[in-house]
Amino acid sequence: AQSVTQPDIHITVSEGASLELRCNYSYGATPYLFWYVQSPGQGLQLLLKYFSGDTLVQGIKGFEAEFKRSQSSFNLRKPSVHWSDAAEYFCAVGAGGNKLVFGAGTILRVKS
Amino acid sequence: EAQVTQNPRYLITVTGKKLTVTCSQNMNHEYMSWYRQDPGLGLRQIYYSMNVEVTDKGDVPEGYKVSRKEKRNFPLILESPSPNQTSLYFCASSPSGQGWEQYFGPGTRLTVT
Repeated sequence: AQSVTQPDIHITVSEGASLELRCNYSYGATPYLFWYVQSPGQGLQLLLKYFSGDTLVQGIKGFEAEFKRSQSSFNLRKPSVHWSDAAEYFCAVGAGGNKLVFGAGTILRVKS
Repeated sequence: EAQVTQNPRYLITVTGKKLTVTCSQNMNHEYMSWYRQDPGLGLRQIYYSMNVEVTDKGDVPEGYKVSRKEKRNFPLILESPSPNQTSLYFCASSPSGQGWEQYFGPGTRLTVT
């Protein structure tokens, strides 16, 4: 069965520093991949998605993610973090079964 | 504005008292789904629906019921809530028939005492 692993439960970065959140998935074929962000007290907002084609995808709020088939990874990056980026981030895979499978999430803290 | 709405946003109830959480979307999406979110476990799917009158179990369906009589609405029913159903619940809808690009409601925080 497909699964998603986000190895980091918490990450703290300084404002203005670069960010990379890790995501590994388990699935035999090419999956559909997503990153969502959840601000405190809010629902989940779609940041970006990968279906096919260019393996580097751009999303909203200055985020990007790169699909690496050889590493079964879909890491999220941002070159310069803002305090408003503090939130919980979820990686998800759509890989059959008519559903998304989510990772457990990574909480991002931003130091000023 | 395109959105998924849920009501109520907060609910405190007692064990065994039937409740319904409503979900509505105005995007004409075929696919709708319910999740629960618990600390450290991410989101787990309860039920989903690929079309009107078509529903199926997700990963954690025990203790829940759903119905899909209209395309826009997908209520979640807890016929006899128990404390282990205390959680944050999200409804979502998707333009994809397989439910792979989902748009979420604001959540309903349920406490069962």
